[in-house]
Amino acid sequence: QVQLVQSGSELKEPGASVKVSCKASGYTLTNFAINWVRQAPGQGLEWMGWINTNTGNATYAQGFTGRFLFSLDTSLNTSYLQISSLKAADTAVYYCAKARSSRIPYYYYYMDVWGKGTTVTVSS
Amino acid sequence: SYELTQPPSVSVSPGQTARITCSADALAKQYAYWYQHKPGQAPVLVIYKDNERPSGIPERFSGSSSGTIVTLTISGVQAEDEADYYCQSADITTTYVIFGGGTKVTVL
Repeated sequence: QVQLVQSGSELKEPGASVKVSCKASGYTLTNFAINWVRQAPGQGLEWMGWINTNTGNATYAQGFTGRFLFSLDTSLNTSYLQISSLKAADTAVYYCAKARSSRIPYYYYYMDVWGKGTTVTVSS
Repeated sequence: SYELTQPPSVSVSPGQTARITCSADALAKQYAYWYQHKPGQAPVLVIYKDNERPSGIPERFSGSSSGTIVTLTISGVQAEDEADYYCQSADITTTYVIFGGGTKVTVL
């Protein structure tokens, strides 16, 4: 069964860092890209970016550059989201999602398997 | 990049049909995808490539496309269909993913 298992909830103080893990099971992580999606309280889904699980190259959406870092440990079949210098506005549920994409014959890109989300709360 | 526009809410009685639209000029050239999201759960893909239904998704979920507007239709709505629904597309030039603002479906 293909699934993404995310790490548990985190409570952090402003200025701290957090690292959220997303472990792929039922498939090899490097076969499909991983996307990260944020949902702040009362808000919709917001795409943060994606990481190429073959090369480790990451693409970040506007608003998610600088303090956000996607990384991999292919030996653990796991992807990570690290957020540094946390702010109260980073309080949200963070989801990882497995991508399906191709450019042939037509471009498509969507997410077919999602993790259950990791709640990050930033509060003093 | 571009924006995907959805109505904030749709209300429907059980057994009736719910239609949720998503609009953007880019949808005339790009596929749309739909996700169902219930509180405390992971989002679930219900439609991909405008009108394809993943295995395990009930047949009452269907998608269609007409020019710049795509529509998710839920026929014979059931109480369990109450959720937020998001359309999504992708910009081929930037490889950015775009989500619509979401539509809350309320089953009366």
